[in-house]
Amino acid sequence: GAVVSQHPSRVICKSGTSVKIECRSLDFQATTMFWYRQFPKKSLMLMATSNEGSKATYEQGVEKDKFLINHASLTLSTLTVTSAHPEDSSFYICSALQGYEQYFGPGTRLTVT
Amino acid sequence: KQEVTQIPAALSVPEGENLVLNCSFTDSAIYNLQWFRQDPGKGLTSLLLIQSSQREQTSGRLNASLDKSSGRSTLYIAASQPGDSATYLCAVRDYGQNFVFGPGTRLSVLP
Repeated sequence: GAVVSQHPSRVICKSGTSVKIECRSLDFQATTMFWYRQFPKKSLMLMATSNEGSKATYEQGVEKDKFLINHASLTLSTLTVTSAHPEDSSFYICSALQGYEQYFGPGTRLTVT
Repeated sequence: KQEVTQIPAALSVPEGENLVLNCSFTDSAIYNLQWFRQDPGKGLTSLLLIQSSQREQTSGRLNASLDKSSGRSTLYIAASQPGDSATYLCAVRDYGQNFVFGPGTRLSVLP
């Protein structure tokens, strides 16, 4: 089956620094990937849609300058949280589209101190 | 704008019980509906996917139904086990391939 990985699984960073999270489709090519954010005991909220070779499409209320998305290849999308603050602490999950199916990564727990 | 709700928010049952999780959505123009399981601090595991033209799907002890006209889906879990303890998420997909997730039901099955 289609496998999506995320790296790192956990990251702790200091306020003001930037953090990069990688999302990889391991055994298929994905022209479209999605980035979600999940707060504790809350559901997933779509942040942005990442398309290979073009700019990401951000959902309303998501700061594109704060959450930089790069989809440089058909198997890799990256989310960079710039100048992170404690309120950015969350669980970030990516998914990759293969045909009509979305396959989800295991998530990345970001803690900003 | 599509909204998805799930009832109950949390459920605690003794092992062996049959149970039903409910999902409601406001816009019936969906491409499909999918049930996921999420363990604490983990990603999503797909359980069942129902296309908009289907009424139900079954996998092992799980059965999901879809009534698109009324905007409802149910996930039936038979003979629950402690290993079923997790959060169950319902998500509807529109024809633009966008997912909208419900808030989830936190299930605890007690041994």
